[in-house]
Amino acid sequence: KAGVTQTPRYLIKTRGQQVTLSCSPISGHRSVSWYQQTPGQGLQFLFEYFSETQRNKGNFPGRFSGRQFSNSRSEMNVSTLELGDSALYLCASSLAGSRTEAFFGQGTRLTVV
Amino acid sequence: GEDVEQSLFLSVREGDSSVINCTYTDSSSTYLYWYKQEPGAGLQLLTYIFSNMDMKQDQRLTVLLNKKDKHLSLRIADTQTGDSAIYFCAERSTGGFKTIFGAGTRLFVKA
Repeated sequence: KAGVTQTPRYLIKTRGQQVTLSCSPISGHRSVSWYQQTPGQGLQFLFEYFSETQRNKGNFPGRFSGRQFSNSRSEMNVSTLELGDSALYLCASSLAGSRTEAFFGQGTRLTVV
Repeated sequence: GEDVEQSLFLSVREGDSSVINCTYTDSSSTYLYWYKQEPGAGLQLLTYIFSNMDMKQDQRLTVLLNKKDKHLSLRIADTQTGDSAIYFCAERSTGGFKTIFGAGTRLFVKA
C-alpha cells in the first residue's frame, strides 16, 4: 500500500509570508502527527490529530497550526514566517495513535529567506 | 518531563557490530522505537519493543531494554556501509499522543 505522502517536497518562502504543508496518511490510518526537524533542535513534536481532533500540541507559538480532514489528510500552516522556521517538516501516520507505530513521510523541506 | 538522550556520533568498521545507546526519563513509556534516517529522507521504522520485553531480535538487529535503568540499546551485527545513517531512539507512553525522539546518533561505517 502507498506510504505517507507529503507535498510539496521543497518550498522556499520569504519572511512574513505564510505556508501550508500537506500530508496524506497511509490508507486506513486515522492519526497524523507533525514534527519539525532542525540540525540544532532535532525532532520537535508539533501536534497530533486523530479523527479531525487535535489531541496534543507541542511547545510552538500560535503561528503554527494544523487541521485534519474527514479523509484523515492533514495540513499544517505556518503564518508570518521567520528565518528560524527553516526546517524539514515531517508527518507521521499511525493506525490509531498511542499503541501503534508511526510511519513517516519523506518530509517537506522549507527554506525561509 | 519527558526526555530521550543519545550520543551524537558512532564510528565503526565494516563487518564490526555497532551498539547505539539511548536513555529515557518517562517511566510510563510503553513503546520504544528505533528509527533510521538516511540523507534527504524521512524516518524509517527499524524496530520497536514493548516495555514488558527485555530483548527483541530481528535479523541483524538486536534491541535490549533495561527498564530499571531506562536504558535502550540497538545492536547492528555485521555493520555495512549502507547502515551509515542517523538512528533515532523514541518513546511513547500508553495514552500518550506524541512520540518523543532523541537527537539522533550519526553512525559512520568505515570500509
